[in-house]
Amino acid sequence: GNSVTQMEGPVTLSEEAFLTINCTYTATGYPSLFWYVQYPGEGLQLLLKATKADDKGSNKGFEATYRKETTSFHLEKGSVQVSDSAVYFCALSEETSYDKVIFGPGTSLSVIP
Amino acid sequence: EAEVAQSPRYKITEKSQAVAFWCDPISGHATLYWYRQILGQGPELLVQFQDESVVDDSQLPKDRFSAERLKGVDSTLKIQPAELGDSAMYLCASSLEAQFNYGYTFGSGTRLTVV
Repeated sequence: GNSVTQMEGPVTLSEEAFLTINCTYTATGYPSLFWYVQYPGEGLQLLLKATKADDKGSNKGFEATYRKETTSFHLEKGSVQVSDSAVYFCALSEETSYDKVIFGPGTSLSVIP
Repeated sequence: EAEVAQSPRYKITEKSQAVAFWCDPISGHATLYWYRQILGQGPELLVQFQDESVVDDSQLPKDRFSAERLKGVDSTLKIQPAELGDSAMYLCASSLEAQFNYGYTFGSGTRLTVV
């Protein structure tokens, strides 16, 4: 079945460091891919998405490129801030499953001043 | 900005008691989802509604969980009786329609602790 794998956390970075959170997926067709962010005590917020191969999703300085050849959707940011500290979830959704979204386990990010 | 409303934010209940959660999706959103998120894990779908109809409840433990969306607007998720393993965050989400590439809007969730 469909699944999402993320790099294990927690990830701790200094402010202004470069961020990469790896995400790979398994799907039977052509899924849409998402990154959601969850701040402490809050629900999930959609951060960015890409709906077809080679698309790049971007928002708030974060980027991720849909790589079908490597089944990956790695999240990157050039310079992280303390306010980026949160849990990041990679997710996929496939039309054949009536848009059910499958989430990865999440990667916790802590940014220290 | 429109939000998905959930209540209560926190709930502590004793084992074997009944508990209920409420969700009010964004106005006009036909599709509503209930997810369960165990601490340290990603959310898992419990039930999906399209208007007032259940589309997917394959992961809902039907012996103790029930969900309804009677008028196709707000929704209630109930657990009876609660068990210790039900301690988790219960998240409600909605989308304008069931489009696989659309993305959801989530509420802030209800944190349930069963003691």
